[in-house]
Amino acid sequence: GAGVSQTPSNKVTEKGKYVELRCDPISGHTALYWYRQSLGQGPEFLIYFQGTGAADDSGLPNDRFFAVRPEGSVSTLKIQRTERGDSAVYLCASSLDTYGYTFGSGTRLTVV
Amino acid sequence: DQQVKQNSPSLSVQEGRISILNCDYTNSMFDYFLWYKKYPAEGPTFLISISSIKDKNEDGRFTVFLNKSAKHLSLHIVPSQPGDSAVYFCAASVGAGGSNYKLTFGKGTLLTVNP
Repeated sequence: GAGVSQTPSNKVTEKGKYVELRCDPISGHTALYWYRQSLGQGPEFLIYFQGTGAADDSGLPNDRFFAVRPEGSVSTLKIQRTERGDSAVYLCASSLDTYGYTFGSGTRLTVV
Repeated sequence: DQQVKQNSPSLSVQEGRISILNCDYTNSMFDYFLWYKKYPAEGPTFLISISSIKDKNEDGRFTVFLNKSAKHLSLHIVPSQPGDSAVYFCAASVGAGGSNYKLTFGKGTLLTVNP
């Protein structure tokens, strides 16, 4: 597609459950990023992929969060044992180089 | 510790007038600055950027000014249009050391342009 696609657009889950959030970047973009935007805050960096490898995962808040990009295209952000504090909009972005991000519309995760 | 600060949560201006959105930063290592615009239920879209070697960058109705000594930047929109109504995020990155991919965002300013 022409833009960054994120699915689902909304996800409601119960506390303690496991969730997966998917990101389809723009075709040919080698760099992929995940950010999290909590209510009333700006987006916060989580992880950066260059190709298949996580070049920087310093923003992941704890070991319940994990992300993969096995073929250098689609990425999945995985959250185990979800907590109410994980509720946020999770944004994915991609780029050809490290400038000029294109963001997706995000997945709104609500943990009840 | 908020390294990028947008102290005005909201701003309201009349159509045709100038909108000035402000941003302050504390990390002196930041050397690249960007403004993003965000409509509800959409992701942020890139608007304009400036490198620390410049003090002004202009693109149509949008101009960004950078004052490095004051660690302050501003976005000017002239003339403002109702379609400019959105949340505007200031963001910064550190180019040295190859970490320019990591953006630090402010909390955003909601701009409302009244017809």
